[in-house]
Amino acid sequence: EADIYQTPRYLVIGTGKKITLECSQTMGHDKMYWYQQDPGMELHLIHYSYGVNSTEKGDLSSESTVSRIRTEHFPLTLESARPSHTSQYLCASRLQGANTEAFFGQGTRLTVV
Amino acid sequence: QKEVEQNSGPLSVPEGAIASLNCTYSDRGSQSFFWYRQYSGKSPELIMSIYSNGDKEDGRFTAQLNKASQYVSLLIRDSQPSDSATYLCAGDFSGGYNKLIFGAGTRLAVHP
Repeated sequence: EADIYQTPRYLVIGTGKKITLECSQTMGHDKMYWYQQDPGMELHLIHYSYGVNSTEKGDLSSESTVSRIRTEHFPLTLESARPSHTSQYLCASRLQGANTEAFFGQGTRLTVV
Repeated sequence: QKEVEQNSGPLSVPEGAIASLNCTYSDRGSQSFFWYRQYSGKSPELIMSIYSNGDKEDGRFTAQLNKASQYVSLLIRDSQPSDSATYLCAGDFSGGYNKLIFGAGTRLAVHP
């Protein structure tokens, strides 16, 4: 069973607020990912990281930022939330190297009003 | 061209039948492929991974990879209504950077 945790599970917040979505894993995985998924739609990669102090932008442009100061922790931050940021955010992690499987957290459903 | 392409479906099969899900990819250098299942409102869960040409079986599931044709498939034998979900194909891209990219998913409906 994968040990990857996302908090909060649900968040309703007002426009203009700063928010941080948390993602933590206890498996010692080097690689971590953030995906954005609207209901019934596909997963879009927005950020990924190979390890501490490495972060890259994904294929979908996002106004969010990420940091990777510790191996187990990969938070995503929105400086000023907007209704267009309403979506589900999914975090995943995997071991370094080729041919390794990724496991997902339970997701954060964000609603910006 | 999208990196991973899937038919969005829905694919409807009767209970007990074989469901066949297909996926094509654009990067000939990609080495690793994965099938995930996602129920509505839930996060994706890994079904199988496949890295070599040929078939890989796990219970009722068989994954097939054909690197020459850039094609990955998933067969589900003895389909059950509980298999009704969206099936996501994913692959590693950008060389050694392991940028994990997902297809749009195929919705499978298994009817009694």
